[in-house]
Amino acid sequence: EAGVAQSPRYKIIEKRQSVAFWCNPISGHATLYWYQQILGQGPKLLIQFQNNGVVDDSQLPKDRFSAERLKGVDSTLKIQPAKLEDSAVYLCASSLVAGASYEQYFGPGTRLTVT
Amino acid sequence: AQTVTQSQPEMSVQEAETVTLSCTYDTSESNYYLFWYKQPPSRQMILVIRQEAYKQQNATENRFSVNFQKAAKSFSLKISDSQLGDTAMYFCAFMKRSSNTGKLIFGQGTTLQVKP
Repeated sequence: EAGVAQSPRYKIIEKRQSVAFWCNPISGHATLYWYQQILGQGPKLLIQFQNNGVVDDSQLPKDRFSAERLKGVDSTLKIQPAKLEDSAVYLCASSLVAGASYEQYFGPGTRLTVT
Repeated sequence: AQTVTQSQPEMSVQEAETVTLSCTYDTSESNYYLFWYKQPPSRQMILVIRQEAYKQQNATENRFSVNFQKAAKSFSLKISDSQLGDTAMYFCAFMKRSSNTGKLIFGQGTTLQVKP
C-alpha cells in the first residue's frame, strides 16, 4: 500500500513570495490533515478535511494561508505572502475516517525555509 | 483547551537498556485518547502506541508500554531492550473522543538517542 505522498520535499523562498505544497493521501482515506511543525515544537493542526469539506480550520492563518481538497482526494496548501515565521515542516496526514480509532498516517513533510 | 507537556527535551540510553519518556497533559475532558508517536530522522512520523482513557489497563506493544495515571494526568512511555533503530524524536499526543474530529494535540517532543 502506497503511503502519503508530499511534494516538494524542500522549498526555499524569500519573504512575501508565495508557495504551494501538494499532498496525495492514501487511497480511500476520507480524512486529510495539514500540520505545521516549527523547529523544536510538536506539530500543530492547521486544517482538517473530510472528503472535500473542511471540518476544522480554527488554527489556519486565513489572511495568508489557504487550502483546498478538490474531488476529495489530493490537497494543496498555499501561503501567500510568506513570512519568516512560516519557516517550518508542513506535514500531511490521512486516515480512513476521522476519530481516534483510525490511525493517522503521515507523509514525509515539506521543509519550508523563508529568508 | 488541552495542553500536552514533555519536560525532557533530550534523553539518551545504552543499547539493550530501558528508558522512560515522560508526558503530562491537562484537559477537562473525561473521554479522550493518548498517543505516542515516533519521528525518526528524515522519516515519516509513525504511531507507536495508543491508550484509551476509559481503560485502566496500560497499553503495550512489544517492547513499548505506557504508564497511564489518569488522576495525575501523566502518560509515560517505557521502551525496553532499546535498539539503535529506536533513535528518534518521540511525541506525546492527545485527542478528544469525538465522532467528527481527529485533531491531535502534540507535546514539544523528546529526542531519544540510543547509543551502541
